[in-house]
Amino acid sequence: EAGVVQSPRYKIIEKKQPVAFWCNPISGHNTLYWYRQNLGQGPELLIRYENEEAVDDSQLPKDRFSAERLKGVDSTLKIQPAELGDSAVYLCASSPWTSGENTDTQYFGPGTRLTVL
Amino acid sequence: AQKITQTQPGMFVQEKEAVTLDCTYDTSDPSYGLFWYKQPSSGEMIFLIYQGSYDQQNATEGRYSLNFQKARKSANLVISASQLGDSAMYFCAMTSGGGADGLTFGKGTHLIIQP
Repeated sequence: EAGVVQSPRYKIIEKKQPVAFWCNPISGHNTLYWYRQNLGQGPELLIRYENEEAVDDSQLPKDRFSAERLKGVDSTLKIQPAELGDSAVYLCASSPWTSGENTDTQYFGPGTRLTVL
Repeated sequence: AQKITQTQPGMFVQEKEAVTLDCTYDTSDPSYGLFWYKQPSSGEMIFLIYQGSYDQQNATEGRYSLNFQKARKSANLVISASQLGDSAMYFCAMTSGGGADGLTFGKGTHLIIQP
């Protein structure tokens, strides 16, 4: 079974430029998460989707970040315009949401390492 | 609000020895889940083990076990017979409140296995 797929793996851009990250979750997983991991820190949640609905976007900086999951499968996270402080690893994860309890394990993709110059 | 604390920024362990990675947590919710993930230099977060707040027994997965002490709010990861390939960052994480909430992570422990 294929894992969570993310692209690109690496991205280098200049500040003020736009950038987009793509994620394809594990087949059948209806919950999808985007996390940001700063250097030397643990990941922090940006947004959570259940199917196509964003059910928790409280930590998403909405002035420059946007996300979509139009058909409830793959998802895109966008930053426009990027700032120097956005340099980080952006991780996508998915889980099956089998019971709505805390047992649902999240499986992560390899991440996209963003460098803003 | 929930919080994870990992107090060991880095650890050096001899190959084949057992190692314990510390994790304490804080939440006011009686129902929660505790997770450990491994992150090698390649960057991917690899799920290792899960412990539910109502589980009576400590979770085990191969060489990994979770020492769950509910009263102390600790969830330490024990790796038996460490191997060179165990060298990586290890993150403790939790979710609570039901539903498929996002994980709250600690800052991680950098484990280095020496031959």
